[in-house]
Amino acid sequence: AQSVTQLGSHVSVSEGALVLLRCNYSSSVPPYLFWYVQYPNQGLQLLLKYTSAATLVKGINGFEAEFKKSETSFHLTKPSAHMSDAAEYFCAVKIQGAQKLVFGQGTRLTINP
Amino acid sequence: DGGITQSPKYLFRKEGQNVTLSCEQNLNHDAMYWYRQDPGQGLRLIYYSQIVNDFQKGDIAEGYSVSREKKESFPLTVTSAQKNPTAFYLCASSIRGTGDTQYFGPGTRLTVL
Repeated sequence: AQSVTQLGSHVSVSEGALVLLRCNYSSSVPPYLFWYVQYPNQGLQLLLKYTSAATLVKGINGFEAEFKKSETSFHLTKPSAHMSDAAEYFCAVKIQGAQKLVFGQGTRLTINP
Repeated sequence: DGGITQSPKYLFRKEGQNVTLSCEQNLNHDAMYWYRQDPGQGLRLIYYSQIVNDFQKGDIAEGYSVSREKKESFPLTVTSAQKNPTAFYLCASSIRGTGDTQYFGPGTRLTVL
């Protein structure tokens, strides 16, 4: 069965600093991978997704993620944090042939002025 | 504008009462999903439906029921059998396909008094 682990339930960075949110997955077959963002009391918004094309995926709001099969990772990065990036971020995996998304526990990102 | 609507935004109910959460989409998506979100636990799948008049249990279906009489609508009933119903409930939809993205509604926060 597939699973997702997000390392760090809380991450705090300074405005303008690099953002790195970690996600490792477990899947016996090539997965589809997603990053979603959630602002307080709102639904989830798709940031980006990997579907076995390019390993470096660019998303909205300046975020990108790199699929590394050897490390079973799909970490999310942004070169320079902005105050508006403060939110909760979820990594999710779906295996081919399945309808279900499996979510990680989420990482709350705080931006310090 | 196409999208997913959930109503109401906030819902209060007394213990022992059933309550129905609404989810409507005008994206012409075949598949719809219900998730429950609790602090620090990510999202957990309650029920999903890939086609009208058909639905499957997710990981935490006990105490919940659904119907799918129309493509656009997938209401969730939280019954009195659900032991701990206070949570944030999210509805999602997707084109039926393994790599397709799930798009989320704004959520309903249910509080049992």
